[in-house]
Order: sequence, then C-alpha cells, then structure tokens
Amino acid sequence: GENVEQHPSTLSVQEGDSAVIKCTYSDSASNYFPWYKQELGKGPQLIIDIRSNVGEKKDQRIAVTLNKTAKHFSLHITETQPEDSAVYFCAAWATGGGNKLTFGTGTQLKVEL
Amino acid sequence: DSGVTQTPKHLITATGQRVTLRCSPRSGDLSVYWYQQSLDQGLQFLIQYYNGEERAKGNILERFSAQQFPDLHSELNLSSLELGDSALYFCASSPRGDGSPTDTQYFGPGTRLTVL
Repeated sequence: GENVEQHPSTLSVQEGDSAVIKCTYSDSASNYFPWYKQELGKGPQLIIDIRSNVGEKKDQRIAVTLNKTAKHFSLHITETQPEDSAVYFCAAWATGGGNKLTFGTGTQLKVEL
Repeated sequence: DSGVTQTPKHLITATGQRVTLRCSPRSGDLSVYWYQQSLDQGLQFLIQYYNGEERAKGNILERFSAQQFPDLHSELNLSSLELGDSALYFCASSPRGDGSPTDTQYFGPGTRLTVL
C-alpha cells in the first residue's frame, strides 16, 4: 500500500520567514495530494491540494509543488504569521489499494515573534 | 467550520466497555470516512462508507464496526475497549468518495476517547 513520509517533524521559523514542508510517497498510482492544517483541539482543515496533472498550485501565501517523477510534493508558506503555527499533514490518495487517503506523520510548525 | 458534526466531543469510559461515536456529514456529501489519531500512530484511516454501503477498509480492528444510515449519518462502534484505544476519532465527508476532482474530504472536530 501507499506510504507517505513527511519532513521535518518540527519546524521553527521567525515571523515573516518562509516555511517548507516536504513529503514523499511510494505509490505511483497516487493522483491527489491534499495538505491539512490542524490547530490544537480541532480537526484537520484542508488548506490546499494538488492533482497529479498539475505541477504547482498557489493560494495567497501558500503554495504546493508536485514532482511526479521523484514522487515528492512540498508545501511552501511565505511571510509566515503567528496564526500559521499548527500541525501540518500531507496526504496522498491512490485509487488502487482501497481508495483511501494515507497521511504523513505531521509537522509541528512554530512561528516565533 | 467544516460542516461536519461529531458527537460527543469527549468520552471517558472503562476497559471492556462499548461506545458509539456519531457523525453527520456535510449537506450533500454521500461519503463518510472514519480516522483514528493517536500520538504514536498519526492519522490512520479506518473505514469509508458511501451512500450506506462500505466502500473501503483500512486498519480497523475487528472490535470496531461502523455503519451509515439512510439519512447519511454514520456511527462508529467500539467494543471491548482497551487502554490503547484512547485516541481522537475523526469523521470526514466528501461528495462522492472516489478521489475525483472536487471530491475533497472535510473533517469534523473529532471525539476524544479516553479509556481508563
């Protein structure tokens, strides 16, 4: 089945700096890659996603890139703000092996003032 | 607010007991997913229902079962509870459950289960 690895597990940046979180996946059949943000005591919230027919997608300060050949995708947050502090999860959806989302282990992002 | 509701928010019970967690999907969504989130296992997919029928199964224990009702709400039943079942249980919903474009999963706020 699909295996998703996520790095780093913790990331501390200064306010205004950029943050990058990277994920790799194993199943070449995966074709949908969402990113979720989870704040303390809340459920994961979708922040951006990308399909396998697109190499990059941007939404204001957030962007995601996908390299299908290398099987990795990344989340880029620019001009970080304290409210960006949360746990971020990447995920990969593969239609084979049961039609399910496999999540990475999460990255705790801390934006310091 | 994702539009997915879950009850109860917190649940404390003893080992060996049985509990039921409830989820109402977003209006119009036909598919419901259950996930378990524990500190050492991350977010693990348990099971998916689509329009009342089981569609996909993940790492769900035999002591756990789920169903989706005609009004599309879903229940996750956990029985013979063990200490290790303590976790956050999330429900998510999506329009079709097939991973096609626009078939995004939206998560509820979760139920925190504590087994003593």
